Amino acid sequence: ETGVTQSPTHLIKTRGQQVTLRCSSQSGHNTVSWYQQALGQGPQFIFQYYREEENGRGNFPPRFSGLQFPNYSSELNVNALELDDSALYLCASSLEGQGNTEAFFGQGTRLTVV
Amino acid sequence: EDQVTQSPEALRLQEGESSSLNCSYTVSGLRGLFWYRQDPGKGPEFLFTLYSAGEEKEKERLKATLTKKESFLHITAPKPEDSATYLCAVQAWSGGYQKVTFGTGTKLQVIP
Repeated sequence: ETGVTQSPTHLIKTRGQQVTLRCSSQSGHNTVSWYQQALGQGPQFIFQYYREEENGRGNFPPRFSGLQFPNYSSELNVNALELDDSALYLCASSLEGQGNTEAFFGQGTRLTVV
Repeated sequence: EDQVTQSPEALRLQEGESSSLNCSYTVSGLRGLFWYRQDPGKGPEFLFTLYSAGEEKEKERLKATLTKKESFLHITAPKPEDSATYLCAVQAWSGGYQKVTFGTGTKLQVIP
């Protein structure tokens, strides 16, 4: 158990809809990152938040957006869903600023877009 | 653009047969190189972080090493429970932003 929880575990949405995925970080962690993992591929970095500010972003379009809250929980929002957005979405929490970048992942949310 | 390449894509070992997994990378502003283990349907499990060339870390049957261009994950006398996909990732600074790049992984199968 990593202490990082994601909800929901599975989700089915229709193309064009919007979705919000949630992540509760491990206690004491101030940084959260989100990843998209297609079947048989490595995780692709979407973005990272440190103390409620975005401080890292991968090659994803603006319809992928996020929030980090004062309690360091986080949301990933995806607008105008496309079929290719079907994937496992992972969040990872870490404690930045201490020279330690060890990250702990949740179990993921499996999103299917039909 | 940052690149991470892992080899081989798949590896089948007999129990007790030691081997190494490779992760070669091209990145500027490296903050750290990570190794993770991922079981089917689960999130990656952290194994190691390496920060500078020459660094080595060990955990049970696993040992990770780092050079300026690649990292190796050595598996000594593996057991069937070591079967999993092993992922390598690099974290780097780019234009004031942090970015993490994963490889596609090596799928390891250890046969009793």
